[in-house]
Amino acid sequence: KAGVTQTPRYLIKTRGQQVTLSCSPISGHRSVSWYQQTPGQGLQFLFEYFSETQRNKGNFPGRFSGRQFSNSRSEMNVSTLELGDSALYLCASTLLGQGWTEAFFGQGTRLTVV
Amino acid sequence: DQQVKQNSPSLSVQEGRISILNCDYTNSMFDYFLWYKKYPAEGPTFLISISSIKDKNEDGRFTVFLNKSAKHLSLHIVPSQPGDSAVYFCAAFIQGAQKLVFGQGTRLTINP
Repeated sequence: KAGVTQTPRYLIKTRGQQVTLSCSPISGHRSVSWYQQTPGQGLQFLFEYFSETQRNKGNFPGRFSGRQFSNSRSEMNVSTLELGDSALYLCASTLLGQGWTEAFFGQGTRLTVV
Repeated sequence: DQQVKQNSPSLSVQEGRISILNCDYTNSMFDYFLWYKKYPAEGPTFLISISSIKDKNEDGRFTVFLNKSAKHLSLHIVPSQPGDSAVYFCAAFIQGAQKLVFGQGTRLTINP
C-alpha cells in the first residue's frame, strides 16, 4: 500500500512568486491536512480537507490556500511568497476523518524562498 | 498561543537507560494525546497515543503517562536504543476540530 506522496520534495522560489504543492493521500483516505514545520515552532496546522470541503483552518494569512479534488488528492498554494514562508510543508492523511484515527504523514516539501 | 508545549528542545541519554520526554498543555478539551517521531528528511511517524480518559498506555518499550490535573504528559522509553535518536513531537487532538496541535519537538540523542 503506497504511503502519502508529496511533490515536489524540494523547491526554491523567489520572494513575490507563488507556489503550488501537491499531496496524494493513502488510497481510501478521505481526510487530508497540511502543516508547516519551522525550527522552534513545531508543526503548525494550516488546514484540513474532507470530501473536497475545507473543514478547519489554522491561523495563517489568506496567502495560504488549498483545495481537495474528488480523488482526495490535495494541493496547497502560497501566493506572494515571503522569506518567512521557507519551511517544510507536511501533508497528512487519515482514513475516516471523524474522531481520531492515526494520521500518516508524507515526507514533506522543503520550500526555500530567496 | 502555544497550547501544547515541549520545554526541552533537546535531551541526551545513555543507551540502555530510560528516556523521559515531557509535554504540557493548556486546553482541557483535548480528547487524545499522541507522540510522533521524526527522522531528518522524513515525515513524522505515529508512535503511541492515549485517550484523555486514561492515565497510562504502554506499547513495548514505550509508555505514555497522562496527568490531567497537571495538564502534563510524558513519554518513557525503556531501554533507550541508538535508533531512538530522533525528534519527538507531542500532539493533541480535539475531536470536533479535526486537527492535531503539535508541540515544538524535543531532539533525543541516545549515546552509545
